[in-house]
Amino acid sequence: DAGVIQSPRHEVTEMGQEVTLRCKPISGHDYLFWYRQTMMRGLELLIYFNNNVPIDDSGMPEDRFSAKMPNASFSTLKIQPSEPRDSAVYFCASSFRTDKPHSSPLHFGNGTRLTVT
Amino acid sequence: GENVEQHPSTLSVQEGDSAVIKCTYSDSASNYFPWYKQELGKRPQLIIDIRSNVGEKKDQRIAVTLNKTAKHFSLHITETQPEDSAVYFCAASRGGAGGGYQKVTFGTGTKLQVIP
Repeated sequence: DAGVIQSPRHEVTEMGQEVTLRCKPISGHDYLFWYRQTMMRGLELLIYFNNNVPIDDSGMPEDRFSAKMPNASFSTLKIQPSEPRDSAVYFCASSFRTDKPHSSPLHFGNGTRLTVT
Repeated sequence: GENVEQHPSTLSVQEGDSAVIKCTYSDSASNYFPWYKQELGKRPQLIIDIRSNVGEKKDQRIAVTLNKTAKHFSLHITETQPEDSAVYFCAASRGGAGGGYQKVTFGTGTKLQVIP
């Protein structure tokens, strides 16, 4: 199992440009999460999907952010236009539904470090 | 929604000593409490978790305790080693089968430094 795969690992872009982050969840996992990590705000949940359907996007900061999951093995997080305050590490994570009345742990990708100048 | 508070924000211990990190949560319906370790520049990784039907769980040098009445849970690391140096996050969530997946709410993290 290769784990959750994210690309790119690093992205440097100029303000106003479009940025697309990519994620491949662990095969068989039916939940996918996008998190943003900054020193000031810690780990913030942006959006999560279940069976490719967005369930909760209340954490998406602005309309400049959008996320899609066209199939079970791929998701994108897009920022358009990007701004310097979007600079952060963006993590994708996946998980699976259990038959128990508890959640299952999150498996994080290695993250994308985004720098917007 | 759920609110998770974590203390301390930084912790320095001598190698071989114990470290304790404490978290409180607000939602009495939360029933799953994982702990993640994040080394510098790397991804958070699960190190131990506890479910609400258990009061304590141990895995080698790491243990977690849960007090549902007081709504707090703690991570205990014994015989600390330099490789334990990292940021540790607690988290709380509820749900699963039937009720669907609920948000995982993270604490703000504790930076642990183990001094050789």
